[in-house]
Amino acid sequence: RKEVEQDPGPFNVPEGATVAFNCTYSNSASQSFFWYRQDCRKEPKLLMSVYSSGNEDGRFTAQLNRASQYISLLIRDSKLSDSATYLCVVNRGTGGFKTIFGAGTRLFVKA
Amino acid sequence: DAGVIQSPRHEVTEMGQEVTLRCKPISGHDYLFWYRQTMMRGLELLIYFNNNVPIDDSGMPEDRFSAKMPNASFSTLKIQPSEPRDSAVYFCASSLDTSNYGYTFGSGTRLTVV
Repeated sequence: RKEVEQDPGPFNVPEGATVAFNCTYSNSASQSFFWYRQDCRKEPKLLMSVYSSGNEDGRFTAQLNRASQYISLLIRDSKLSDSATYLCVVNRGTGGFKTIFGAGTRLFVKA
Repeated sequence: DAGVIQSPRHEVTEMGQEVTLRCKPISGHDYLFWYRQTMMRGLELLIYFNNNVPIDDSGMPEDRFSAKMPNASFSTLKIQPSEPRDSAVYFCASSLDTSNYGYTFGSGTRLTVV
C-alpha cells in the first residue's frame, strides 16, 4: 500500500460544477499537508497548505481529518483553467523527515 | 524574484554520455531538493540539501548519480554514464524549511537518453 493514495481520475466536470478530491495517508506521524497543482508538462506549484481547522482560498477549500487520515480539496464554480493534475503532499516529521507526493488526480473542466 | 532556475530545459543525449543538470535555488532558501518524475513512478525525491550539506541521498538510484551543492546558490545533478531508463523530467525545488512551507519548483529539465 502506498503511503499517500489518490484517485487518479480523471474527473470530467462541466464549468461551474463543484468537485472534490480526497487523499489518504497511512503514517499517523504525518505533520503537515499540502495541495499542489501541476499543469501538463509544467512543474508542480503550491496551491495551498492544509490546516487542522480547514482553510479556504477563494473557490478552493482544503480540510484535514486526522482521525481518518485523509485530506480533501473542494473546488467550487469550476473554471476551464482549473484543468490540471492535483497532487496531495504529506510531510512525515518523525522517523526522519520525508515528503511524500501522491500520484495526483487529473481534473478536466469542460465548457 | 526569479524563482528556482534550472538548466538546460531539454537535454537529449546518447547512452553512456555524462549529463549535468543545474539548479539555482531561491535566495534565502536553506533547503534544496532534486526530484525525478516519470509516468510510471510519479515524483521521486532523489536527494536533498540543507545549508549546502547533503542530508538524505537514499533516493539516488545508483552510483551513476551524484549531486553537489558547492554554495548556497548553485547545485548540480550528474549522471555518468547515462542510460535510457534515466529518461525523465528532473525537477529542482527549494524551500525555507522542510515542514511548514511548501516547495518552489523549477521548470524542470526534460532528459531523453537514446
